[in-house]
Amino acid sequence: EPEVTQTPSHQVTQMGQEVILRCVPISNHLYFYWYRQILGQKVEFLVSFYNNEISEKSEIFDDQFSVERPDGSNFTLKIRSTKLEDSAMYFCASSERGTMNTGELFFGEGSRLTVL
Amino acid sequence: AQSVTQLGSHVSVSEGALVLLRCNYSSSVPPYLFWYVQYPNQGLQLLLKYTSAATLVKGINGFEAEFKKSETSFHLTKPSAHMSDAAEYFCAVRRSGGSYIPTFGRGTSLIVHP
Repeated sequence: EPEVTQTPSHQVTQMGQEVILRCVPISNHLYFYWYRQILGQKVEFLVSFYNNEISEKSEIFDDQFSVERPDGSNFTLKIRSTKLEDSAMYFCASSERGTMNTGELFFGEGSRLTVL
Repeated sequence: AQSVTQLGSHVSVSEGALVLLRCNYSSSVPPYLFWYVQYPNQGLQLLLKYTSAATLVKGINGFEAEFKKSETSFHLTKPSAHMSDAAEYFCAVRRSGGSYIPTFGRGTSLIVHP
């Protein structure tokens, strides 16, 4: 069964360092998403991406975040200069359809980021 | 802004007992509501969704949820819990009227005792 894969599963970094989280969405999906979950809190939407551009983003997704689809298979989230409060589980998701999608996103297992 | 509140971070039931996971929503637009499940070491997966059709929605693995507008609720139920139901359950509502992207709650951990 096709699945969304994320790497790394766990990354530890020093405050101020740049981090890139990688995702391989399901191959025929066209819409991609990042969410995060700080321990004990809600799963929060960060950004959605379609046709090589951001289609929607939340207030959390500020200038320190960026997303990219560098090739035909990967979808990345970059955090430019990490802060302690960026420590969270980051989930990548993909879907076949975007704005007409009625909610079936397919999620990866998550990448846990720990900022020291 | 659209949001959901899940009552209870942990729910514990015995195998064979009724499962009830509570979710209340707040939405300024007609809500589209979802329940997702996350099994250990896996990603979230869609259990069921309400998109303004039938108010009683059936999902996978014997789960169902009822949309009650008067109570702004979308509680998830299953008549008889199985050990394999132990997981984290997330209620979600669409972000806005023009978006179908889900906004999630904190999640409820379902513990099933033998």
